[in-house]
Amino acid sequence: DAKTTQPPSMDCAEGRAANLPCNHSTISGNEYVYWYRQIHSQGPQYIIHGLKNNETNEMASLIITEDRKSSTLILPHATLRDTAVYYCIVRVDNNNDMRFGAGTRLTVKP
Amino acid sequence: DGGITQSPKYLFRKEGQNVTLSCEQNLNHDAMYWYRQDPGQGLRLIYYSQIVNDFQKGDIAEGYSVSREKKESFPLTVTSAQKNPTAFYLCASSIGRNQYTDTQYFGPGTRLTVL
Repeated sequence: DAKTTQPPSMDCAEGRAANLPCNHSTISGNEYVYWYRQIHSQGPQYIIHGLKNNETNEMASLIITEDRKSSTLILPHATLRDTAVYYCIVRVDNNNDMRFGAGTRLTVKP
Repeated sequence: DGGITQSPKYLFRKEGQNVTLSCEQNLNHDAMYWYRQDPGQGLRLIYYSQIVNDFQKGDIAEGYSVSREKKESFPLTVTSAQKNPTAFYLCASSIGRNQYTDTQYFGPGTRLTVL
């Protein structure tokens, strides 16, 4: 199973870009990188996913390095409501399990 | 308004009692999942179902049971055999047709407290 490593916590100023890193050095060729976030006492919210190309949607951008060993989730203009735990996940390829680790606790400050 | 609903949001039970958590989706998804989350930790898979009338154990199935009689419903029963049932329980669903790009969408969760 490809495992992920994320910093336990990060701060970001409101209105600035939040860049959340994730290392997944053992990722295999057909595994996708997923990002979710979880606001306290709520269900995880899907943000974005990608295989090897950079991806962008209305919530965020995902930058995956060429060797696919790491990625960065970018929230372009962080707001206070973006304060949450952000999870980087690499899909397990023998079932449909989403293996959530401890994630990064992002705190957006005014 | 499509989505995944879980009820109730908070549930209290006495030790030794079985309790069933509800999960319903109207997204026409084939696959459904149950996860457990303990404070400060990630999610752990309890059971999942890729199609009606079929389900598989996840990493921590002991003390839990499920059924999948309808596509839109996947109830989880926490039995008295579960040693530490107090936790936040999350249900998810996905289209289920592509293993590698099958995004899971989560419900709001049920916080179960066993007294």
